[in-house]
Amino acid sequence: SAVISQKPSRDICQRGTSLTIQCQVDSQVTMMFWYRQQPGQSLTLIATANQGSEATYESGFVIDKFPISRPNLTFSTLTVSNMSPEDSSIYLCSVADRPNSPLHFGNGTRLTVT
Amino acid sequence: AQKITQTQPGMFVQEKEAVTLDCTYDTSDPSYGLFWYKQPSSGEMIFLIYQGSYDQQNATEGRYSLNFQKARKSANLVISASQLGDSAMYFCAMREGRAGYSTLTFGKGTMLLVSP
Repeated sequence: SAVISQKPSRDICQRGTSLTIQCQVDSQVTMMFWYRQQPGQSLTLIATANQGSEATYESGFVIDKFPISRPNLTFSTLTVSNMSPEDSSIYLCSVADRPNSPLHFGNGTRLTVT
Repeated sequence: AQKITQTQPGMFVQEKEAVTLDCTYDTSDPSYGLFWYKQPSSGEMIFLIYQGSYDQQNATEGRYSLNFQKARKSANLVISASQLGDSAMYFCAMREGRAGYSTLTFGKGTMLLVSP
């Protein structure tokens, strides 16, 4: 299965700033997914990122707040913009390395906004 | 309505005993897949086991087995011979449809604590 490296693993940021999270996969994958896990909650899909096209955002998430890049088949970034304390969460990158396979996750980025 | 329901916020089990974590799901699609993930306190999501809607046999992976009851729309995870390292959050998830790269919907999770 794909090996996913996610950076940073954690960060503490001030409100109003932005943080870019990187996700690197050791093999080419068609689809990458970004999830958010708020404290004590389940995972919620933010968006799906295809290489070469705009990301598809779920209801409640917008590109201006969570811009995503997918420049090639092994890399993606998620930016959390103009952060507020409500953005404090774990952000997880995931991939499916073949159709109908389980999603494999990076180790997550634990973000705290003060 | 919630697509994935995990009714047990927390479960306690003694080491070496078996434990069942409940999961019910809701879908009208005849083609779907059910997944269980483990999330230790470190935060990573670890895939455990998968059951497809057309699979005739219950899935097993080592100490993990999935008790799949299609008519009841339940997909309970059974962990045999619990170990201290099994203490973690467990999430049930579902993928609907035949589309190869569709995403997963997760339940709220069950926190499992294994005591010596």
